[in-house]
Amino acid sequence: GAGVSQSPRYKVAKRGQDVALRCDPISGHVSLFWYQQALGQGPEFLTYFQNEAQLDKSGLPSDRFFAERPEGSVSTLKIQRTQQEDSAVYLCASSLVAGGPSDTQYFGPGTRLTVL
Amino acid sequence: SQKIEQNSEALNIQEGKTATLTCNYTNYSPAYLQWYRQDPGRGPVFLLLIRENEKEKRKERLKVTFDTTLKQSLFHITASQPADSATYLCARRPNSGYALNFGKGTSLLVTP
Repeated sequence: GAGVSQSPRYKVAKRGQDVALRCDPISGHVSLFWYQQALGQGPEFLTYFQNEAQLDKSGLPSDRFFAERPEGSVSTLKIQRTQQEDSAVYLCASSLVAGGPSDTQYFGPGTRLTVL
Repeated sequence: SQKIEQNSEALNIQEGKTATLTCNYTNYSPAYLQWYRQDPGRGPVFLLLIRENEKEKRKERLKVTFDTTLKQSLFHITASQPADSATYLCARRPNSGYALNFGKGTSLLVTP
């Protein structure tokens, strides 16, 4: 596709439910990032993949959060036993090369998660 | 801890004026600073990157400066238009790791 796509765009979950958020990066992009953006805040890093390898998961807030990118393209962010504090927009970004400091990251539109 | 700070107040200016947004950072000077634009309901869109050895960079009506002494970057939009209204995010890469470290963003409103 022309850009990064994410699905669903909106997700409402009851507290305690599991959710799965999908990211389709730009074709051929090596790097894939997940960010969490709370209302009125900038994006906060969650995790980074280089191809299928998860090289950095230091931003995942708890062990309820899990991400994978098994074939080095599509990625899924899974949140188990959702809590109200998980409510946020989850952004996916991809970049062409392997996470260089001058890399331009291309962001998807995000998935807005609301936990009731 | 490493922080990046942007004006928390929204910036309201009149069409045609120059908008100036500020990004301050603590601790080390990053090799690069990036500026993104974010519209409501959308992901950030990359605008400009400036390297630490570049004092100024321009792209059309946009200008970014980088002052490593003041630990500050300024982002200017000249001849502003209502279509420039958005939130502008400053970001840097930490010394280790891969992620971008974003500021909170500054909301800009350009009125006709």
